[in-house]
Formats: sequence, C-alpha cells, structure tokens
Amino acid sequence: AQSVSQHNHHVILSEAASLELGCNYSYGGTVNLFWYVQYPGQHLQLLLKYFSGDPLVKGIKGFEAEFIKSKFSFNLRKPSVQWSDTAEYFCAVNSLYKLSFGAGTTVTVRA
Amino acid sequence: ETGVTQTPRHLVMGMTNKKSLKCEQHLGHNAMYWYKQSAKKPLELMFVYSLEERVENNSVPSRFSPECPNSSHLFLHLHTLQPEDSALYLCASSLRTSGMGETQYFGPGTRLLVL
Repeated sequence: AQSVSQHNHHVILSEAASLELGCNYSYGGTVNLFWYVQYPGQHLQLLLKYFSGDPLVKGIKGFEAEFIKSKFSFNLRKPSVQWSDTAEYFCAVNSLYKLSFGAGTTVTVRA
Repeated sequence: ETGVTQTPRHLVMGMTNKKSLKCEQHLGHNAMYWYKQSAKKPLELMFVYSLEERVENNSVPSRFSPECPNSSHLFLHLHTLQPEDSALYLCASSLRTSGMGETQYFGPGTRLLVL
C-alpha cells in the first residue's frame, strides 16, 4: 500500500523567511503529486500539482515544488513567506487507484 | 469558492441521534468522495462514488451510511455514532474517479462533535 510522509509536524518562522516542507511517498509506479493548503477556517485548496513534464512545478501564491523521482520526494518551497501563509499544508499522491494524503504540516508565520 | 458545498458546517449530536450530512457539487463532475479528517492524522478516505455507484468502501463502520441519488449530490447518514467519530468530514469531487490525471476539489467540511 502506498503511504505519504510529511517530515515536519509544525513549522514556525518569521515573515520573509524561506519555507521548505518535505514530502516523501512509498509507491514505486507512476504517480500524480499534489500539495493542498487549508487556511484557518477555510476548505482544502489546491496549491499546485505535478502530472508529467518539468519536475519543477509552480503554483499559486509564489509556491513551487520539485519532483525528484529517485528520492520519491515532492518538496514544497516558497522563498519568502508572508503572515497570510499561515495554514496547514498537505501533500497527496495519486497512484492508479487512490489519492493518499500525508498527515499535514502546520505552518505558523509570525509578523 | 470551490464549487463544492457542504451542509451543515457544524453539527453536535448525541450518540443516539440520527443526522445526515449533505454535499453538493456544481462542477459537472462524475465522482464524489467522503473523507474523515482527524487532528494530526492523514485524511481517511471513507467512500467513493462514480456515476452514483459506490466503487469503494474503506472498511467504514455501518453507523456511517452513504447515499448518492445523482452525480451532483452526496449524503452521509449518521446513526448511533461514538465520541471517537468526532472529526471534520470532507466531501470532494473529481471529473472521474481518482485515476491518473484527476484532481479532487474539496468542500469546506462539516465539523462534527459527538457527545
């Protein structure tokens, strides 16, 4: 069975700091990869996705993620965070038959 | 606005009550899903419907009963729940069932508290 692991449970950083959230998955076949974000009191929103092609994917709000197939990883990055980036971030992996989520990383940005 | 709505947004119920959660998608999708989101745990897929037929049931207790009358509506009927069933219940939809190339879109969820 496939699984998704997010390395950080809670990340606290200051505005303008750089952010990187780790995500690793266990499935060995072809995958689609997603990052979703859940702002306080709001629904899960798609941040970015990778289906094929360029492994460096750009999403909304200045986020990007890099798919490294050899490392089974899909890490999320943002060079300079804002207070409004405070949210919970979920990595998800879609294989042939199901979408699996990581446990989520809570990101708190201090003004 | 994702095009997926859920009602109610909050629900408190006793263990002997019967209630229903409703989900509606306005995206023209053919697949709908119920997930359970508990604190600090991965989202748990509960049920998958494709063109109103249930295609997956992930060993969910029978006190949860889904219903999909058409491709736009999905219900989750609840009865004799336990306190550990308290969680955020999320509905999602996609154009087709979750295969390669599909993106799921989520509703805001129903926050359920079982007393």
